[in-house]
Amino acid sequence: DVKVTQSSRYLVKRTGEKVFLECVQDMDHENMFWYRQDPGLGLRLIYFSYDVKMKEKGDIPEGYSVSREKKERFSLILESASTNQTSMYLCASTPRGGAGNSPLHFGNGTRLTVT
Amino acid sequence: AQSVTQLGSHVSVSEGALVLLRCNYSSSVPPYLFWYVQYPNQGLQLLLKYTSAATLVKGINGFEAEFKKSETSFHLTKPSAHMSDAAEYFCAVTRGGGYQKVTFGTGTKLQVIP
Repeated sequence: DVKVTQSSRYLVKRTGEKVFLECVQDMDHENMFWYRQDPGLGLRLIYFSYDVKMKEKGDIPEGYSVSREKKERFSLILESASTNQTSMYLCASTPRGGAGNSPLHFGNGTRLTVT
Repeated sequence: AQSVTQLGSHVSVSEGALVLLRCNYSSSVPPYLFWYVQYPNQGLQLLLKYTSAATLVKGINGFEAEFKKSETSFHLTKPSAHMSDAAEYFCAVTRGGGYQKVTFGTGTKLQVIP
């Protein structure tokens, strides 16, 4: 089974801090994604990456950046955390071939609180 | 553009009753459609997916969904609800052919009453 591991289940950070959310997958998937989940809004795509060092903006990239230096690892960076970034963050991966051909495999999420 | 509408943010059913969760989509090209389930404190996992092979799709845990092009719907059903079905369910749509963007609905929380 594909395993997608997010390094933290819960994080509490202060406004203005730089925050790193880490995600590792063990199935050699080319595509990796970061989503944000908020009640009543579903999942919204922040960024995705289809290869090492490659990235594409999703629907809500403002205030976020990403890094993919190794195929198995995809990091989400909040350059200066703000309270409106308090949310659940979900990482996902799929193999090459598109998200239509293969379902997303999700990690268990990181619940970030910014105070 | 593609979009997904899930009717009802909360649905309650009695244990043993029919489960019906509604999903309508819009897509300018033939879509790929998914249902995912999220149990408390977990990520999402795939229940089932439609990729044009058959209009009635069977998934895990006794769930199934029927693709109806004329109604642009992909409703999720289960004949008899179990307590363990209590979770949040998300409908999602994407275009095929290597396209990466998956659009999710806003989710429906299913409560199962004993």
